[in-house]
Amino acid sequence: KAGVTQTPRYLIKTRGQQVTLSCSPISGHRSVSWYQQTPGQGLQFLFEYFSETQRNKGNFPGRFSGRQFSNSRSEMNVSTLELGDSALYLCASSFTDYGYTFGSGTRLTVV
Amino acid sequence: SQQGEEDPQALSIQEGENATMNCSYKTSINNLQWYRQNSGRGLVHLILIRSNEREKHSGRLRVTLDTSKKSSSLLITASRAADTASYFCATDPRLIQGAQKLVFGQGTRLTINP
Repeated sequence: KAGVTQTPRYLIKTRGQQVTLSCSPISGHRSVSWYQQTPGQGLQFLFEYFSETQRNKGNFPGRFSGRQFSNSRSEMNVSTLELGDSALYLCASSFTDYGYTFGSGTRLTVV
Repeated sequence: SQQGEEDPQALSIQEGENATMNCSYKTSINNLQWYRQNSGRGLVHLILIRSNEREKHSGRLRVTLDTSKKSSSLLITASRAADTASYFCATDPRLIQGAQKLVFGQGTRLTINP
């Protein structure tokens, strides 16, 4: 069974640009959630999607958005990048409340 | 903000010894989960304990949950060099409409010395 796939693995962007990250969940998993990890703030919840609907959203500015497609694949977008957006972005999928499977993450560096 | 507080922030022990990490949280939960992370990579799910369970075992791992004290502990027995990693507790709070999210602690950095 393939795991959660996140692309790209690494990304370097300039302040003011926008970026799109992709996540393919485990087959059959309908819930996809996104987390941001930084040394200062730790792991923080961004949002969760289930059957193409955003069910829950963390405390992040509107520059952070996401969506989920009918095949459960998800994308998150960050517009007008700031230096503080540099982080490891992790995607996780789950079937029910049996725990989450995380991808390897996308490391975003904003310069 | 992080709901969980982990203790200690860093732990260094000799190979073969046991490692214990503690986690406290603030709100009611459906379950509590422990994850491992190696060098900034993705998180690996270790074990999940539900709010109506008090103890759970998985191989060399033993997790306890005390909902009255809002705390949990993770014990790794007979540690190995490969156990060197950061360990995070994460709570799954009671949310309406089935929405899911995890609230993570700051993590414990575990180092196993050969």
